Amino acid sequence: QSALTQPASVSGSPGQSITISCTGTSSDVGSYNLVSWYQQHPGKAPKLMIYEVSKRPSGVSNRFSGSKSGNTASLTISGLQAEDEADYYCCSYAGSSTFWVFGGGTKLTVL
Amino acid sequence: QVQLVQSGAEVKKPGSSVKVSCKASGGTFSSYAISWVRQAPGQGLEWMGRIIPILGIANYAQKFQGRVTITADKSTSTAYMELSSLRSEDTAVYYCARDLSELELRAFDIWGQGTMVTVSS
Repeated sequence: QSALTQPASVSGSPGQSITISCTGTSSDVGSYNLVSWYQQHPGKAPKLMIYEVSKRPSGVSNRFSGSKSGNTASLTISGLQAEDEADYYCCSYAGSSTFWVFGGGTKLTVL
Repeated sequence: QVQLVQSGAEVKKPGSSVKVSCKASGGTFSSYAISWVRQAPGQGLEWMGRIIPILGIANYAQKFQGRVTITADKSTSTAYMELSSLRSEDTAVYYCARDLSELELRAFDIWGQGTMVTVSS
């Protein structure tokens, strides 16, 4: 069982927006603004899409955005495109004893 | 641009150990933490531990304490992850990943290509 809870799957049509939630606790998501999101295509290494809740690395489309409220972080993808179909994982810092915890992952299907 | 290149696939017997390497090229190595993250077939990502080469300090996830050792060789810009007492549940792809900033907890921005470790009798 993963430390952070994500929906197993979400879907949307091209052009639509979707949001993936990531629920943790007051010991991780709720305590630190160190939530990141990773995109993983089949057979590939994860790719950083969002860090520190809402910051985008250089080169990542501005269609990807992140937010956080309490113990829940969210990733929103607007203007869905076929290439967005992938697995998405959230990750949060959880203190100096645990360090990093991941969510179980969400499979995004673009219909 | 920094790249992380990992060693090749391994097949191991239960009870044995495996050591996976992660060589950095094209940039600074020593002051960035390197983490190891594994992914069992069809499963999610799991953080195992990290090392900051310049400090030689390693931290481990509680689940792997006593079974994993992470080291780094600054002279060759290579990090290593050794997992002992292997069991079938350790069958997974093992990734190394570099922190986004030097000596600062932020996120993992550069990942190795992954190393498949299969544990089978």
